[in-house]
Amino acid sequence: EAGVAQSPRYKIIEKRQSVAFWCNPISGHATLYWYQQILGQGPKLLIQFQNNGVVDDSQLPKDRFSAERLKGVDSTLKIQPAKLEDSAVYLCASSLGSAGSYEQYFGPGTRLTVT
Amino acid sequence: AQKVTQAQTEISVVEKEDVTLDCVYETRDTTYYLFWYKQPPSGELVFLIRRNSFDEQNEISGRYSWNFQKSTSSFNFTITASQVVDSAVYFCALSEAGANSKLTFGKGITLSVRP
Repeated sequence: EAGVAQSPRYKIIEKRQSVAFWCNPISGHATLYWYQQILGQGPKLLIQFQNNGVVDDSQLPKDRFSAERLKGVDSTLKIQPAKLEDSAVYLCASSLGSAGSYEQYFGPGTRLTVT
Repeated sequence: AQKVTQAQTEISVVEKEDVTLDCVYETRDTTYYLFWYKQPPSGELVFLIRRNSFDEQNEISGRYSWNFQKSTSSFNFTITASQVVDSAVYFCALSEAGANSKLTFGKGITLSVRP
């Protein structure tokens, strides 16, 4: 079974530029998550989708971050404009359902450096 | 609000030593789930175990074992006869029951196993 796919793996941009990340979850997984992981910390949830609907985006900085999952499968996360503090690894995860009992499966992440 | 504390930040052991990674959690719910994830240098978080709050039985899987104690709100992870391949960052995480529950991670413990 294929795992969660993410691209690109690495991205370097200058502040105020825009960037987009792509994620393809495990087939059949209804729930998709985007996390931000700053160096030395645990992942922090940015947004959670159930199929193509948003169920939690309370920690997403909506003035600069946006995400969509139009057909309930793959998803994109965009940052516009980027700030220095956005430098982090962006992880995508998926699970069969959104209940707390389901384990989440993570992709390899995209390491973003903002200069 | 839920919280996970991993007080140890870095642990270094010599191969074949046993090592225990501590995890303390806080939650107001009576039903919840605890997880351990491993993040090797490649960056992808790997699911290791899930435990629900009603099952306090300790679990052993090969060289890995987990000790869940509700009385002390702890869910500790022991690696027996550590190997160099165990070198990684280990995260403990907590989610509450119910739909759309969020996974809260600790800050992680960096384990280095020296040959």
